This record gives sequence, C-alpha cells and structure tokens, in this order.
Amino acid sequence: RKEVEQDPGPFNVPEGATVAFNCTYSNSASQSFFWYRQDCRKEPKLLMSVYSSGNEDGRFTAQLNRASQYISLLIRDSKLSDSATYLCAVEGRGSTLGRLYFGRGTQLTVWP
Amino acid sequence: NAGVTQTPKFQVLKTGQSMTLQCAQDMNHEYMSWYRQDPGMGLRLIHYSVGAGITDQGEVPNGYNVSRSTTEDFPLRLLSAAPSQTSVYFCASSYRQGSEAFFGQGTRLTVV
Repeated sequence: RKEVEQDPGPFNVPEGATVAFNCTYSNSASQSFFWYRQDCRKEPKLLMSVYSSGNEDGRFTAQLNRASQYISLLIRDSKLSDSATYLCAVEGRGSTLGRLYFGRGTQLTVWP
Repeated sequence: NAGVTQTPKFQVLKTGQSMTLQCAQDMNHEYMSWYRQDPGMGLRLIHYSVGAGITDQGEVPNGYNVSRSTTEDFPLRLLSAAPSQTSVYFCASSYRQGSEAFFGQGTRLTVV
C-alpha cells in the first residue's frame, strides 16, 4: 500500500469556481502534512502546511481528518494563475521518520 | 538567497556512463534528500540524509549512491546509467524533521 494516495485529476474548472483535492495517507502516526504547488517544468514549492485544527491562507484552506486519514485542500474563487499541479506530502514515522512522502499530484486547469 | 542549488540543469548520458548530480544548500539544514519525478509516478525518494555523515535509502535507491561529508553538500552519483534512469531529479532540504522541504530547480537527465 502506498504511503500517500492522491487523485491525479485532471480538474478543469472555470474562473471563480471552488475546487477541492484530497489525499489519503496510510500511517496513522504521521504528524506533519503539507500541500505543495508545482508549475510546469518547475520545482515544487510549499503552498501551505496542514495543521490539526485546519488552516486558511486567503483563498486556500487546508484540513486534516485524522480519523479517516486524509488531508484536503480547498481553493475558493479560482484564478487562472492557480493552474498548476498540487502535491500533498506526509512525513513518515517510526523507521521512516524524516522522510517526506508525496502523492502523485493533482493537475488543476482554471479556464476563463 | 541561493537556497538549494542543483547542477547541472540538463544532462544527456550514454548507457553505462557515470556521473554526479550536485546539490548544495546554504540554509544550514540538517535534512537533505534526492527525489526523482516521472510522469504519473509523482516524487519518489531515492536517498536521504539526516545530517553530515549519515545517509539512508529511500524508495528507489538502486543504481544510485550518495554521501554527506558536509552539511551543505549532498551529491547523487549514478554508477552506470541506464535508460530507466531518465527522469527529472530534485534535491531538497529541510531545517529539521517535520518541517517543510525546499527544492532545487531540478536536473533533467536523459540516458540514451
């Protein structure tokens, strides 16, 4: 079983739409979670960390559901500039502590 | 602000050749790691290091060697290149376990 599973999409939405991505993780002891954004042919860059109580940064909201072992990213009022691939990442625990496991990424295209 | 610097950005190798991908960070981060990214496969961990002198294998270590003689540098060596190693390689560093990873700009490697 993979450490992190992510729906690859693609998601194609109009400007102004709300879109949500989910990632499930297998290690219930994981403590650190992140969402990264990757533009075409560029390196991944941190979008936001995911905290237990949920957190918001402008139009972006990240949530953690420990009971069901998934994290989510909600993008409100989508902009053309939000078009990118979104990667979730989960830190390993136990013998894999310190490793960061990534999902395959979800491709988002926002059209005018 | 250099951050994580990878060289070269592009490389073409013949099957059987060896080479070293360079990675350096100037943020005094303890954790460094190498990933490869292939279409549909996401980011897969090759090797990682939790500090100078300490390295460990990730998910796909075969065909690669690493060393960490200093905090700043974490080179990745391809011993005998194979076409299956054609990929985009990213180096990343983190301040400590559980903290966000900062990525280099990537190396696009083609093995013919």
